[in-house]
Amino acid sequence: SQKIEQNSEALNIQEGKTATLTCNYTNYSPAYLQWYRQDPGRGPVFLLLIRENEKEKRKERLKVTFDTTLKQSLFHITASQPADSATYLCALDDNQGGKLIFGQGTELSVKP
Amino acid sequence: DAGITQSPRHKVTETGTPVTLRCHQTENHRYMYWYRQDPGHGLRLIHYSYGVKDTDKGEVSDGYSVSRSKTEDFLLTLESATSSQTSVYFCAISAGGEFHEQYFGPGTRLTVT
Repeated sequence: SQKIEQNSEALNIQEGKTATLTCNYTNYSPAYLQWYRQDPGRGPVFLLLIRENEKEKRKERLKVTFDTTLKQSLFHITASQPADSATYLCALDDNQGGKLIFGQGTELSVKP
Repeated sequence: DAGITQSPRHKVTETGTPVTLRCHQTENHRYMYWYRQDPGHGLRLIHYSYGVKDTDKGEVSDGYSVSRSKTEDFLLTLESATSSQTSVYFCAISAGGEFHEQYFGPGTRLTVT
């Protein structure tokens, strides 16, 4: 079955730097991969989606890459701000239509 | 939270009692999901629905049942709650289409003593 791995250790960076989070998967290449943000005590919020035939996707300060050879997606936040502090989850389709498999998430802390 | 409400938001119950959690949406989305989130496990799918009266099991469905009699409501029932079902439960909805991006409710924190 498909498995997703995200860095379990929290990522601590300084304000203004670029944060890079990693999502690796183990088996088949998904048709798409999604990234979500989750704040403490709240539900995840959809951020970005990248298709398997797209190498890169951007939205404001966010950039996602998708490397099907490496079976990896990278999520970048440029010019990071303390308000970007949250847990970021990657998710991909489970090849059965309508269902997603979520990674455990990586906690990002941006210090002023 | 994208027109999704969950009730109750917090519940404490005793082992062996039945519990029903409700998810209500105002988006008229076709797909609805129930997840649980636990430290060290992330989000795990319990059950999902792809239409009224159409449901299917997820990764961790044992001990849970669901019902969807109307587009807007998706109920999750713990037939006989156990301490291992202490968790935060999230409902999500999706319009479907090609990519199934999901929109989550605020969550229900359930404690089984």
